[in-house]
Amino acid sequence: GDSVTQMEGPVTLSEEAFLTINCTYTATGYPSLFWYVQYPGEGLQLLLKATKADDKGSNKGFEATYRKETTSFHLEKGSVQVSDSAVYFCALRGETSGSRLTFGEGTQLTVNP
Amino acid sequence: EAGVVQSPRYKIIEKKQPVAFWCNPISGHNTLYWYLQNLGQGPELLIRYENEEAVDDSQLPKDRFSAERLKGVDSTLKIQPAELGDSAVYLCASSKNVLDTQYFGPGTRLTVL
Repeated sequence: GDSVTQMEGPVTLSEEAFLTINCTYTATGYPSLFWYVQYPGEGLQLLLKATKADDKGSNKGFEATYRKETTSFHLEKGSVQVSDSAVYFCALRGETSGSRLTFGEGTQLTVNP
Repeated sequence: EAGVVQSPRYKIIEKKQPVAFWCNPISGHNTLYWYLQNLGQGPELLIRYENEEAVDDSQLPKDRFSAERLKGVDSTLKIQPAELGDSAVYLCASSKNVLDTQYFGPGTRLTVL
């Protein structure tokens, strides 16, 4: 079945550091890929998405590129801020799974001033 | 535009007691989801509604869990009787249609003692 694997957390960075959170997936065909973010006390919010190979999703300075050859969708940001502290979830929607989202375990990011 | 509303935000009950969670989706959203999020894990789909119809409930433990979406708007998820292992966050999400972006509520954190 479909699955998503995220790098283990938590991740702690200083402000303005470069961020990478790794995400790899297993799915048949061409799934759609997503990054969701969950700020403390809030619901999950869609951060960015990509629906086909080589697409790059971007939002709020975050980027992720859909790499079919490595089945990856790594999240990057060039300069993190304290306000980026949150839990980040990688997710996929398989071709045959309707609207069902399969999530990774989540990665806790803490950015210190 | 108001987001997905859930209540209560927190609930503490003793095992074997019943409990119910309520969700009000974003106005005009036809598709409604209930997810279970265990501590340190990503959400897992319990059930999906298209209007009033439950179209994906394969992951719902039907011996103790039930859900309804009367009139195709608000939804209620019930557990009876609750077990210790049900302690988790229950998330509601909605989308305009089945493949559109899912918007999540803040969740209900259930603790079963």
